[in-house]
Order: sequence, then C-alpha cells, then structure tokens
Amino acid sequence: DQQVKQNSPSLSVQEGRISILNCDYTNSMFDYFLWYKKYPAEGPTFLISISSIKDKNEDGRFTVFLNKSAKHLSLHIVPSQPGDSAVYFCAASQKPGGGADGLTFGKGTHLIIQP
Amino acid sequence: DAGVIQSPRHEVTEMGQEVTLRCKPISGHDYLFWYRQTMMRGLELLIYFNNNVPIDDSGMPEDRFSAKMPNASFSTLKIQPSEPRDSAVYFCASSPGTRYGYTFGSGTRLTVV
Repeated sequence: DQQVKQNSPSLSVQEGRISILNCDYTNSMFDYFLWYKKYPAEGPTFLISISSIKDKNEDGRFTVFLNKSAKHLSLHIVPSQPGDSAVYFCAASQKPGGGADGLTFGKGTHLIIQP
Repeated sequence: DAGVIQSPRHEVTEMGQEVTLRCKPISGHDYLFWYRQTMMRGLELLIYFNNNVPIDDSGMPEDRFSAKMPNASFSTLKIQPSEPRDSAVYFCASSPGTRYGYTFGSGTRLTVV
C-alpha cells in the first residue's frame, strides 16, 4: 500500500506559467516532507522541504504548501522554466530529513515545460 | 567532495548470475540507504545502515538480496541468483541525519536477461 501518492504521472506546463505538483499521504505519523528532482541518468537531488509545524516554505521560484488535515502537499514552481523539466518525487518521513527511518517516496511526476 | 559514488553505472547480466553493486558514501555521513526504482513501484527503500550497522532490511525483496557495509566508506548490494524481475535502477544515498535529506548517487541500471 502506497503511503505517499503522486496521482499524476506526468504534467505539461507552458514556459512562464505556474507548475503545481500534488502529493497525498496516508500515514499520520509523517512529520517531514521533501521534494526531490530527478534528471535522466542522474540520482534524485533535494529541492525543498517542510515540517508539519509549518504550512508553507518558500525558496526562490519553489514553494511547498502543506495541508496536514487533508494529508496533502503541493509544490509550486513560478515561473516555470525549461530546465525544470524533470521527474519530481514527493517524500515523507517521521524524522527530520528521514535520517533515522528512511524516506518514503511517491512514484514521481514527470514535469514537461513546453516553450 | 565527489558526492555518493556508485559502480557500475550499467550492468547487464544473465539470469542466475551473481550481481554486486557498489557504493561509496559521502565522508562523514552516518546513514547509508539502498533504494530501487521501477516504473511500477517508484523508489523503494531496500535497506539502510547507521554507522555501518544494518538497521532496517524489511524492504529487501527476498533472500536473494543481501547488503553489507564493512566500513564507513563502502557498501555492497548483492543479488544471487539474479532474475529478470530484478531489472531496475538501484540508488545508493547517504545522509548526515539532518533535515536536508539525502544525497543520492547516480544509480546503477541493472538489466537481467
């Protein structure tokens, strides 16, 4: 049973517009959430994180929103750029960074930015 | 720092053969993780180590899979005997245990024919 779900396998967005990637989770014990970005033939790289005591975290063009009551988080990218085309993984953990438990990942969403 | 180094990058082997994947974590990182990525299941945690000691191997698919970490700078994931359904990309990641998550290696793409 998938504890972290990314229901959109792919998403196509026009350059300059907002990209919104969604993630749902089922385990109420999760307290830390991370987004990873993955290019082909490379490992995932950390993008942004949020802990459950916050509902928003912003880093440049990237903002993550957390709705704990709905067990839902989203990643907003504004404005979208061609270099943002990649697979984005949502991940969750009971501990900061997942260090002591391991991160639980979703299946990923392939974001395609069209010129 | 060169990051997490995995070898080989690609491995093609015949069913029944033994396969060994290697990983060198970032120096000073106390946690090492092995993940497997498939289309069907996404990224799955197989096993992780803390200070070279295996902590949780509940994600290891079956007895054909084994992992070792003989020292802080080296880990192996072995599959014996390999089967076609083991074909996947295997990632190693390390972490200092902070809130910044993991650093992944570039992965080993395993194909079992």
